[in-house]
Amino acid sequence: DAGVIQSPRHEVTEMGQEVTLRCKPISGHDYLFWYRQTMMRGLELLIYFNNNVPIDDSGMPEDRFSAKMPNASFSTLKIQPSEPRDSAVYFCASRRTGDSYEQYFGPGTRLTVT
Amino acid sequence: GESVGLHLPTLSVQEGDNSIINCAYSNSASDYFIWYKQESGKGPQFIIDIRSNMDKRQGQRVTVLLNKTVKHLSLQIAATQPGDSAVYFCAETGTASKLTFGTGTRLQVTL
Repeated sequence: DAGVIQSPRHEVTEMGQEVTLRCKPISGHDYLFWYRQTMMRGLELLIYFNNNVPIDDSGMPEDRFSAKMPNASFSTLKIQPSEPRDSAVYFCASRRTGDSYEQYFGPGTRLTVT
Repeated sequence: GESVGLHLPTLSVQEGDNSIINCAYSNSASDYFIWYKQESGKGPQFIIDIRSNMDKRQGQRVTVLLNKTVKHLSLQIAATQPGDSAVYFCAETGTASKLTFGTGTRLQVTL
């Protein structure tokens, strides 16, 4: 079975540009989570969805960040406009209700904003 | 000003020895705990979990111990191997949806 799929794996962009990160959760999983990992702050939860509905976005840093989940197999995290301090590794994770609370992580997208 | 990153504690262990990685959690209401392993350039990977109604759980070469009295969690790895070199995170949840991750411990296995 394919795990969580993220694209792109690496993204380099200039300050002010729009960045879109993509995630395909594991089929049948009804929870999807977006995390950001930096040396300064560690692994932070940004937002999570249940059945495609955003449940908690309290971790989203500011209005420049937005996330959508138009269907059960696709989610995006968008940063507009991007800033150098957004440079981080962004992870998507998913899990299924009824299983343990284990979240399955994707390989991450390494974002560099210059 | 100068940016300061998180100080990741590092545990150096010789190959074949046992490793013990510790974690203190803050939320006394947390009822589920997970240990994750993260290798360089990869996403966190599940190792083992434990519920608050247990104080010990064993897997293959790994054991997790939970002490709710002092809010402490530990991960024991038996016969540590070079492939165990990674950063290890504990995570806790009380709501069953959100996981709160610790800062991590770097395990270095020396030959």
